[in-house]
Amino acid sequence: EPEVTQTPSHQVTQMGQEVILRCVPISNHLYFYWYRQILGQKVEFLVSFYNNEISEKSEIFDDQFSVERPDGSNFTLKIRSTKLEDSAMYFCASSAGANTEAFFGQGTRLTVV
Amino acid sequence: AQSVTQLDSQVPVFEEAPVELRCNYSSSVSVYLFWYVQYPNQGLQLLLKYLSGSTLVKGINGFEAEFNKSQTSFHLRKPSVHISDTAEYFCAVTLNRDDKIIFGKGTRLHILP
Repeated sequence: EPEVTQTPSHQVTQMGQEVILRCVPISNHLYFYWYRQILGQKVEFLVSFYNNEISEKSEIFDDQFSVERPDGSNFTLKIRSTKLEDSAMYFCASSAGANTEAFFGQGTRLTVV
Repeated sequence: AQSVTQLDSQVPVFEEAPVELRCNYSSSVSVYLFWYVQYPNQGLQLLLKYLSGSTLVKGINGFEAEFNKSQTSFHLRKPSVHISDTAEYFCAVTLNRDDKIIFGKGTRLHILP
């Protein structure tokens, strides 16, 4: 069964460092998303990406965040200068179309120290 | 703006007893509704979805949910829970003109022996 894969599963970084979280969405999907879940809290929308551009972003997704689909398979989330409050589980998701089921990866746990 | 409310942060239930996890949403336009499950230390998995048609939706692992437009609810039910159902359950909504999913805060289902 096709699945969304995320690497690494756990990343520890120092405050102020740049991190790149990687995702391989399901191959025939067209919509890609990043969500985050701070420990013990709800899953929050960060950004959606369609047709090689951001289609929507939340207020969390400020200038420190960026997304890229550098080739036909990867979808990355970059945080330029990490802060302690960026520590969270980051989930990548993809869907075949708008309003259809989104498939989520297993997540990357980012710990900023 | 749309929102999702899960009133119960935790629900303790005895094994083999029935359970209902409540979800209410608010939106001025048509919505699509989902329930996702997050098992300990894992990602998000779709339990079931309502896009259109029959208001009673059956999902995996014996769960079902009923869409009630007049009460703007989408409660999740299972007639007999098992210890393996211990997880966090997230109700989610997406608008029919949008693609991002908005999640509720989650309900932790705690199965008592």
